[in-house]
Amino acid sequence: GENVEQHPSTLSVQEGDSAVIKCTYSDSASNYFPWYKQELGKRPQLIIDIRSNVGEKKDQRIAVTLNKTAKHFSLHITETQPEDSAVYFCAASIRRNAGNMLTFGGGTRLMVKP
Amino acid sequence: ETGVTQSPTHLIKTRGQQVTLRCSSQSGHNTVSWYQQALGQGPQFIFQYYREEENGRGNFPPRFSGLQFPNYSSELNVNALELDDSALYLCASSWGRTEHGELFFGEGSRLTVL
Repeated sequence: GENVEQHPSTLSVQEGDSAVIKCTYSDSASNYFPWYKQELGKRPQLIIDIRSNVGEKKDQRIAVTLNKTAKHFSLHITETQPEDSAVYFCAASIRRNAGNMLTFGGGTRLMVKP
Repeated sequence: ETGVTQSPTHLIKTRGQQVTLRCSSQSGHNTVSWYQQALGQGPQFIFQYYREEENGRGNFPPRFSGLQFPNYSSELNVNALELDDSALYLCASSWGRTEHGELFFGEGSRLTVL
């Protein structure tokens, strides 16, 4: 089955700096890669996603890149703000075209220091 | 439009007991997925129901079972509880069987097995 590895497990940055979180996946059949943000004690919420036919996607301060050959994808947050502090999870579809059945990475706790 | 709701929010059981968790999907959604999130880890896919049929299953034993009802609400049942079943159980609803789309999570049911 699909396996998703996520690094780093914790990340501390100064407000205004950039943050990068990296994930690798094992199943080349996966073709959908979302990122979820989970604030303390709250439900995970989708922040951005990318499909395998696209190499990069951007939404304001957030961007995701995908390298299908290397089977890795990354989340980039620019101009970080204290409200970006949360746990971020990458995920991959468990098989082709099963975008709502996901294997999640272990999470990255991002701390943005004011 | 109502979001995903889960009950109960917290419960404590002893090893060997059985538990039923409930989920009401977001209005207009016909697919419900269940995930197990152990403390400090990413959610793990248990199974998914689409129009009352199991549509996919993760690597969980048969003592984890579920149901979906005609109104698309769902139950997760776990028999013969083990200590390692202690976790946050998240329900997520979405539209369609295989669409690449956003999962809308509930707040979760936190199960403690003693």
